[in-house]
Amino acid sequence: SQQGEEDPQALSIQEGENATMNCSYKTSINNLQWYRQNSGRGLVHLILIRSNEREKHSGRLRVTLDTSKKSSSLLITASRAADTASYFCATDANGNNRLAFGKGNQVVVIP
Amino acid sequence: KAGVTQTPRYLIKTRGQQVTLSCSPISGHRSVSWYQQTPGQGLQFLFEYFSETQRNKGNFPGRFSGRQFSNSRSEMNVSTLELGDSALYLCASSLDVGSYEQYFGPGTRLTVT
Repeated sequence: SQQGEEDPQALSIQEGENATMNCSYKTSINNLQWYRQNSGRGLVHLILIRSNEREKHSGRLRVTLDTSKKSSSLLITASRAADTASYFCATDANGNNRLAFGKGNQVVVIP
Repeated sequence: KAGVTQTPRYLIKTRGQQVTLSCSPISGHRSVSWYQQTPGQGLQFLFEYFSETQRNKGNFPGRFSGRQFSNSRSEMNVSTLELGDSALYLCASSLDVGSYEQYFGPGTRLTVT
């Protein structure tokens, strides 16, 4: 099964700066989803982008998807201390709710 | 709407014992998936249920099993616990199959001693 892989794995930024994370995957997908996790708690769904979409926005989040390069990026603009968390991308190959997760990006936003 | 709930939140078991974890999905959601999260292996898919049927299963031994009830609530069971089963077990619910968001519960932290 495919695995998403985020890059970079750890990011430390100042409050107000933008944070960008990348994710690559190996096979074709139905959709790709981004999640946030705080300190080993449950995952919070951020955004879902379908294979026929190229860009999606939600508040301060912007996600792009390039199916030709099998990659996605998550941009968080004007970061806040509360954005400190681990961010995961997950791919759903067949739209059957079976998600393959990447290893995650640890983002630390310094106040 | 209430979110996904999981019980218990924390559990300590001894090797060889068995454990049952419970998940209540968001009202109206019919698909429930289970994931295991460990520091070494990350997040791994266990299985997915829809309308009381297991539709997908991950690469886990037969000691891991689950079921879904008619009200969409789900349980997973791990028999003959091993130290390596210590993990955060996450349940996710989704409205239906297809391109739908999955909403996760807070997880059950299982420690096997």
